[in-house]
Amino acid sequence: DADVTQTPRNRITKTGKRIMLECSQTKGHDRMYWYRQDPGLGLRLIYYSFDVKDINKGEISDGYSVSRQAQAKFSLSLESAIPNQTALYFCATSDPGEGQPQHFGDGTRLSIL
Amino acid sequence: GDSVTQMEGPVTLSEEAFLTINCTYTATGYPSLFWYVQYPGEGLQLLLKATKADDKGSNKGFEATYRKETTSFHLEKGSVQVSDSAVYFCALSDQGSGYSTLTFGKGTMLLVSP
Repeated sequence: DADVTQTPRNRITKTGKRIMLECSQTKGHDRMYWYRQDPGLGLRLIYYSFDVKDINKGEISDGYSVSRQAQAKFSLSLESAIPNQTALYFCATSDPGEGQPQHFGDGTRLSIL
Repeated sequence: GDSVTQMEGPVTLSEEAFLTINCTYTATGYPSLFWYVQYPGEGLQLLLKATKADDKGSNKGFEATYRKETTSFHLEKGSVQVSDSAVYFCALSDQGSGYSTLTFGKGTMLLVSP
């Protein structure tokens, strides 16, 4: 089983709908992250969390919200989806400290019509 | 703020050719540097890392050396294989942010033909 699991893997929905993307991990890491990937733009950080009570905005948080339900679960919501939120979304986890890498899920491909 | 600049792709090579993907960075502190690889349909995987000047990270035949004087972390491989075709991302985490987040380059696609 994957250490970082994202559901769903693919989602097609309509403008204005509320969408939740879920992430769960078995690595025991305290830190969790949500990114979006767009062609030619690399990965951009949406939100990150250092523990259940610590949520931080990233570079592009507008239009998104998150919930850290437990150490192992971190959900990303789009309250009212719009077409320019069509992208590939990744969840990642890490330990704290210098040189600690992030570990990524396989991504959710989201299309908003 | 922090930034990472990578050479644009795609980089197209024949099998067994030598690979270099350039990466330079700007950071306020003393960053840790990473290369990640993304195969089609998958998430990013850590390829190698280095945490201080002159460190060399290596894995699966790939190498990169942390050059503080030129603020660079170029990825190299002596003989690429078709299976190396993927997108490669250079990234840093900065002491100034407590090594809390990663800043990524835009990625470089590598295509290796038989």
